[in-house]
Amino acid sequence: AQSVTQLGSHVSVSEGALVLLRCNYSSSVPPYLFWYVQYPNQGLQLLLKYTSAATLVKGINGFEAEFKKSETSFHLTKPSAHMSDAAEYFCAVTRPTNAGKSTFGDGTTLTVKP
Amino acid sequence: DTEVTQTPKHLVMGMTNKKSLKCEQHMGHRAMYWYKQKAKKPPELMFVYSYEKLSINESVPSRFSPECPNSSLLNLHLHALQPEDSALYLCASSQVGQGNTGELFFGEGSRLTVL
Repeated sequence: AQSVTQLGSHVSVSEGALVLLRCNYSSSVPPYLFWYVQYPNQGLQLLLKYTSAATLVKGINGFEAEFKKSETSFHLTKPSAHMSDAAEYFCAVTRPTNAGKSTFGDGTTLTVKP
Repeated sequence: DTEVTQTPKHLVMGMTNKKSLKCEQHMGHRAMYWYKQKAKKPPELMFVYSYEKLSINESVPSRFSPECPNSSLLNLHLHALQPEDSALYLCASSQVGQGNTGELFFGEGSRLTVL
């Protein structure tokens, strides 16, 4: 079984401030972990993924995430928020033995204030 | 630009209509997916095709009928829908087999409104 919990359905930051979106996972086997971003009226786009290589993963648009097995976490960060980062963010988990079935978190809406 | 193309982008239909959503990808992926997404919710898996065969049906009502004519195309046939079926329908594709991480490539979605 696998599950994902995103802490905080809404996060609001000022432009230029640190972005931190939290994701905790549960998996009976070592997981693959993903962050997707969804802009209004669009599909989901991959930001970054963890697939058991480096624990610090860098993605597009200046985002990065660190896999911490001891904390079962995969939090998403960006040092300096930009107005264009305002979107919905989803954390997702799959298992290597069943990679076709992703489990998504409930999502976090990021608002960036000028 | 997305490499998964969905048509139409918007569809309005009555409860007695028959319509279809279409999805196309040219990335050589052999798994294709239909997801349903309600506003401010995560995508919900509906169907998975692997090598053009239906491999997962998440207990979706029969008024939704998927079809995978070939490795690049995925259709979702709609008939006798209910207003609660109004949602964004997302198509996705991925690799299969060893080395597949489950990374999904999504289209931009088809916004369906059932009157």
